[in-house]
Amino acid sequence: DGGITQSPKYLFRKEGQNVTLSCEQNLNHDAMYWYRQDPGQGLRLIYYSQIVNDFQKGDIAEGYSVSREKKESFPLTVTSAQKNPTAFYLCASSPSAGDEETQYFGPGTRLLVL
Amino acid sequence: AQSVAQPEDQVNVAEGNPLTVKCTYSVSGNPYLFWYVQYPNRGLQFLLKYITGDNLVKGSYGFEAEFNKSQTSFHLKKPSALVSDSALYFCAVRDGGSQGNLIFGKGTKLSVKP
Repeated sequence: DGGITQSPKYLFRKEGQNVTLSCEQNLNHDAMYWYRQDPGQGLRLIYYSQIVNDFQKGDIAEGYSVSREKKESFPLTVTSAQKNPTAFYLCASSPSAGDEETQYFGPGTRLLVL
Repeated sequence: AQSVAQPEDQVNVAEGNPLTVKCTYSVSGNPYLFWYVQYPNRGLQFLLKYITGDNLVKGSYGFEAEFNKSQTSFHLKKPSALVSDSALYFCAVRDGGSQGNLIFGKGTKLSVKP
């Protein structure tokens, strides 16, 4: 089956620790996205990538980093500089940037700080 | 700057009655407007979009939305609500020239009672 997988479903971070959230897609999509979802705030764009080896900052990129070395993978690292990382993180992909109607979302990863 | 407002945290409707979920937006250029739905444990799904043309757009599951340029609104509607429509609904907007950078509203929880 084609789709997006995110792992793990739940992730715990200790103070001062970097953690990496995985996002993999087998849809052959060029564009991939990372969103953060907080209660009462909707989704906010962290980073997006239109093509391999290229990515752009979204509205809340501070304290996060990404890489896009392979078309199917777009991992997100939450660094220790992100002071309030507890949230639900959603990864998405689309054939190209701007194809919102064919944007697929993953099941999400919930990050909790210990 | 682009922004989206969903003024209602929750909308309650009786099954069979019409429903409206409100959305207003602010964008500098031509607005591209979207509605997404998030069912419990099923991730986010695209519902419909407006880019140009007829102000009334039809989408999935019997939903439609009306674009009103003078009121900068894009309200989601359905003539007859179903219990299965109960979910979290997000309005989103981007400037036509800024591919990839969707701005989401905070979401409105729709509750349809039998």
